Amino acid sequence: QQQVKQSPQSLIVQKGGISIINCAYENTAFDYFPWYQQFPGKGPALLIAIRPDVSEKKEGRFTISFNKSAKQFSLHIMDSQPGDSATYFCAASTEGSQGNLIFGKGTKLSVKP
Amino acid sequence: GAVVSQHPSRVICKSGTSVKIECRSLDFQATTMFWYRQFPKQSLMLMATSNEGSKATYEQGVEKDKFLINHASLTLSTLTVTSAHPEDSSFYICSAVSGTGSSYEQYFGPGTRLTVT
Repeated sequence: QQQVKQSPQSLIVQKGGISIINCAYENTAFDYFPWYQQFPGKGPALLIAIRPDVSEKKEGRFTISFNKSAKQFSLHIMDSQPGDSATYFCAASTEGSQGNLIFGKGTKLSVKP
Repeated sequence: GAVVSQHPSRVICKSGTSVKIECRSLDFQATTMFWYRQFPKQSLMLMATSNEGSKATYEQGVEKDKFLINHASLTLSTLTVTSAHPEDSSFYICSAVSGTGSSYEQYFGPGTRLTVT
């Protein structure tokens, strides 16, 4: 019940296209859902996060869509660029942004020029 | 955003020796820090929660006597891998919680690559 299931495992998108990564969870006590971007050999960097009281949050080219009833949330990267090529992790916490994070398995995104 | 550093970035040690990894919050105080472990092409797995001034809380399956955590100040937490073995080779990442009131974010360090030969 503590798992966060992420798909797809890998994704190839053309430059300018939309990248979509999905995550699903079971634990309804989760109350904080961040997305992280990680480049090889580096630590994860927070991209954007959402709480269950909103259904969508947008920051620049990155949008989180949140469906509380379906227990799903997704990351949309608009106008994808080669520099966006990285591994993306969704995560969830039961203690807001202060709590330990349960991570999805990650999605390796490759944006082709 | 807040900056978290780790030292060293890479370390190679011989089997049986101990290695200390430092995690520092550079521009904020963090009462809570977390230690994660990441194997190649895998996700991050929480090892322990480190609270300043108290004992760390370890996740199930993580040996507390092997992975010693000390959170001696509001800006420093250390992870010591004792009697390291090749299977301990991994990417170790810390994170620190920054914020006040109802607004907090968790920031990650750049990671430490440990190789045990």
